[in-house]
Amino acid sequence: AQSVTQLDSQVPVFEEAPVELRCNYSSSVSVYLFWYVQYPNQGLQLLLKYLSGSTLVKGINGFEAEFNKSQTSFHLRKPSVHISDTAEYFCAVSESGAGSYQLTFGKGTKLSVIP
Amino acid sequence: GAGVSQSPSNKVTEKGKDVELRCDPISGHTALYWYRQSLGQGLEFLIYFQGNSAPDKSGLPSDRFSAERTGGSVSTLTIQRTQQEDSAVYLCASSLADGVEAFFGQGTRLTVV
Repeated sequence: AQSVTQLDSQVPVFEEAPVELRCNYSSSVSVYLFWYVQYPNQGLQLLLKYLSGSTLVKGINGFEAEFNKSQTSFHLRKPSVHISDTAEYFCAVSESGAGSYQLTFGKGTKLSVIP
Repeated sequence: GAGVSQSPSNKVTEKGKDVELRCDPISGHTALYWYRQSLGQGLEFLIYFQGNSAPDKSGLPSDRFSAERTGGSVSTLTIQRTQQEDSAVYLCASSLADGVEAFFGQGTRLTVV
């Protein structure tokens, strides 16, 4: 079984400032890692994913994340946020090579960008 | 359509009634998932369908919950004798056979009064 911990439930940040949303996971097997974004009253949209290879992953909207196996972390970063980045962000894992790629999600981090 | 479609978008029902939630996956996607998003529990996996294989029902919270997928496409999630704790947003997702990237619908917000 896997678990995901998002250390911050809410993160306020000023517009054009950098941001890091933290995610740690626990698993006894190899995993795939994902970040999803959810805008109000919307479904989930994939920001980026780590499957294998380079540990630095770039996604949409200028976001990137780095997989750190030794620290079991997959933190999300953006160098300069915009008002439109205000949303809830979910880190998720699935078991690699399992056949069923059901996702285990963290509790989410609400990012509020302050003008 | 281009994306995963869920209906209705909102549903208010009385406690004890049965409800059916519908999901139309992306054409060609053989894998289909249902998740539940609630304030107390966050996002939880409910059930998984892959082609003609038996579904993985390991996430269903009680025997009041069931789901089916007809013709390998449309899926219906049924909740019988609804309870107030069933109030949540029910999200459907679909993916290709390799399953790695799931595409989510906008969800059905269920309110049990």
